[in-house]
Amino acid sequence: RKEVEQDPGPFNVPEGATVAFNCTYSNSASQSFFWYRQDCRKEPKLLMSVYSSGNEDGRFTAQLNRASQYISLLIRDSKLSDSATYLCVVNMMTGGFKTIFGAGTRLFVKA
Amino acid sequence: DAGVTQSPTHLIKTRGQQVTLRCSPKSGHDTVSWYQQALGQGPQFIFQYYEEEERQRGNFPDRFSGHQFPNYSSELNVNALLLGDSALYLCASSLGLSGGYTGELFFGEGSRLTVL
Repeated sequence: RKEVEQDPGPFNVPEGATVAFNCTYSNSASQSFFWYRQDCRKEPKLLMSVYSSGNEDGRFTAQLNRASQYISLLIRDSKLSDSATYLCVVNMMTGGFKTIFGAGTRLFVKA
Repeated sequence: DAGVTQSPTHLIKTRGQQVTLRCSPKSGHDTVSWYQQALGQGPQFIFQYYEEEERQRGNFPDRFSGHQFPNYSSELNVNALLLGDSALYLCASSLGLSGGYTGELFFGEGSRLTVL
């Protein structure tokens, strides 16, 4: 079983749509959680951190359910510029820290 | 403020050869992690360096080795290249075990390795 699992998509949505991505992780010792965004042939960049209380940044909302080992990302009012791959990321502290990426979910937003 | 820089950006090798990739972390960062990203996949963790020592390692064979220098820059070495080593190699820096870690990794643009 992969340490971090995501639906690879692709998700094809029209502008203005709401889209949700899910992610599960296998290691209950995981300590911190993030969503990264990766544009085609570019490096990943941090989109937002994910907290148990949930957090929102503009049109983006992230949620964490530690009991179910589940992370989600909701994008409201999708823009063409949201088209990218969204990577679910889990951080484990085991002596040092090890940051594990999911395979990513591809999103295409169409006009 | 210089971000993470990697070199070379692209390179082509043949099977059995060896390759060295280089990374300079973001100013102020002391921890460097290396990732391999195959086409259509997420980044796979190779290893992490802090204080010139390998601190964590992913599921990669011993053909993959690294080094961190006193100025925090790092090298990734891959010996006996296989076709399957063709990928984008990403270097990420962060504040690590020295404290101040926020969980955010800053990535370079990567070195794209093609093995023929």
